[in-house]
Amino acid sequence: DTEVTQTPKHLVMGMTNKKSLKCEQHMGHRAMYWYKQKAKKPPELMFVYSYEKLSINESVPSRFSPECPNSSLLNLHLHALQPEDSALYLCASSQGRTADGYTFGSGTRLTVV
Amino acid sequence: ILNVEQSPQSLHVQEGDSTNFTCSFPSSNFYALHWYRWETAKSPEALFVMTLNGDEKKKGRISATLNTKEGYSYLYIKGSQPEDSATYLCAFLISGTYKYIFGTGTRLKVLA
Repeated sequence: DTEVTQTPKHLVMGMTNKKSLKCEQHMGHRAMYWYKQKAKKPPELMFVYSYEKLSINESVPSRFSPECPNSSLLNLHLHALQPEDSALYLCASSQGRTADGYTFGSGTRLTVV
Repeated sequence: ILNVEQSPQSLHVQEGDSTNFTCSFPSSNFYALHWYRWETAKSPEALFVMTLNGDEKKKGRISATLNTKEGYSYLYIKGSQPEDSATYLCAFLISGTYKYIFGTGTRLKVLA
């Protein structure tokens, strides 16, 4: 299996809702990443987990809460989001801090209403 | 703030034309530079991993070069085809960190 799988592909949520995005890989990669991408902008790094520990938090608001239950799974818990949080959320994984290319999921398109 | 800039922002070419894009990145703290091809509703697809100054990589009609001293990489497409239409992203890995910064992207449209 050489893929990163993200679910759901699309999500519409209200500002008072709690939802979660899920990312899964079975390549034995030990680093996993969350990116946020707004239209016509590059993906922006949000969080990095390395060996299941949070390594980087790019000053992301606390309404986004990452979780890495095991080496194959990365979640992003969402609570009390704002309409401006609507974006494509991309997950990626890599074999540690490596020069090799990263593997990306196809993203979750989130709309906050 | 580290900026990774790509130019042009968008490009329309005729089928059969050759084209090239630029990725500019900080020349300090360099670890690796990656190129991706990203079609709408799909995952970014890795094209090239570049680590050494002077690297030249080739995959079919697409090739890339790297100059780490001056902080740029070029991506070339020879004889563009409609299926080459996509956004081309470069990404810069900062030495000693997990920080992986994407460029602003070049949207290519190849007209049949």
